[in-house]
Amino acid sequence: DVKVTQSSRYLVKRTGEKVFLECVQDMDHENMFWYRQDPGLGLRLIYFSYDVKMKEKGDIPEGYSVSREKKERFSLILESASTNQTSMYLCASSRGGGLAGGSSGNTIYFGEGSWLTVV
Amino acid sequence: RKEVEQDPGPFNVPEGATVAFNCTYSNSASQSFFWYRQDCRKEPKLLMSVYSSGNEDGRFTAQLNRASQYISLLIRDSKLSDSATYLCVVSSHNSGYSTLTFGKGTMLLVSP
Repeated sequence: DVKVTQSSRYLVKRTGEKVFLECVQDMDHENMFWYRQDPGLGLRLIYFSYDVKMKEKGDIPEGYSVSREKKERFSLILESASTNQTSMYLCASSRGGGLAGGSSGNTIYFGEGSWLTVV
Repeated sequence: RKEVEQDPGPFNVPEGATVAFNCTYSNSASQSFFWYRQDCRKEPKLLMSVYSSGNEDGRFTAQLNRASQYISLLIRDSKLSDSATYLCVVSSHNSGYSTLTFGKGTMLLVSP
């Protein structure tokens, strides 16, 4: 079974703290993604990566950065956490070489989510 | 116009009912379409892809109308376990990459 693991499920951080959210996938997927999900706003793409050391901004990259030093690991970094970054963060991965989505070879798999509260 | 727009919910239906979800998308260059299911406080999971010819998987039928930029999901004989939020998802190709755009989701509540 494909496994996308988000190491921290529930975090409470103070405003101004640096926060690391780690994500590891075990399927040798090329593509990895970070989304946040908020009530009434749905899932919004923060950053994505199609290869090691490569990153692309999504729709809402402000206040975030990412790191992909190894193929299996994609980290989301909040340099200075703010209360408006309180959210549920979802990591995802999919195979490369085509559309990132759900066609039979490119199904996107999500981690279980990290619930971050910034106080 | 929002990129991917879904019916507002929640839909409250009795067991055994047939329920239909609709979704419209704004990017005419979108290439792939999907329905995901998300249970409360869980991650989204792929329910089914949507093909131009329409496709069926048991009690679930998905249809795509490219001319109208419209996607639908029909659930027949709904079960209590169908209670979840259903997300319409569209894949588009931009600058050499493909990304997914999610609708906000429609919540379904199936009652006994």
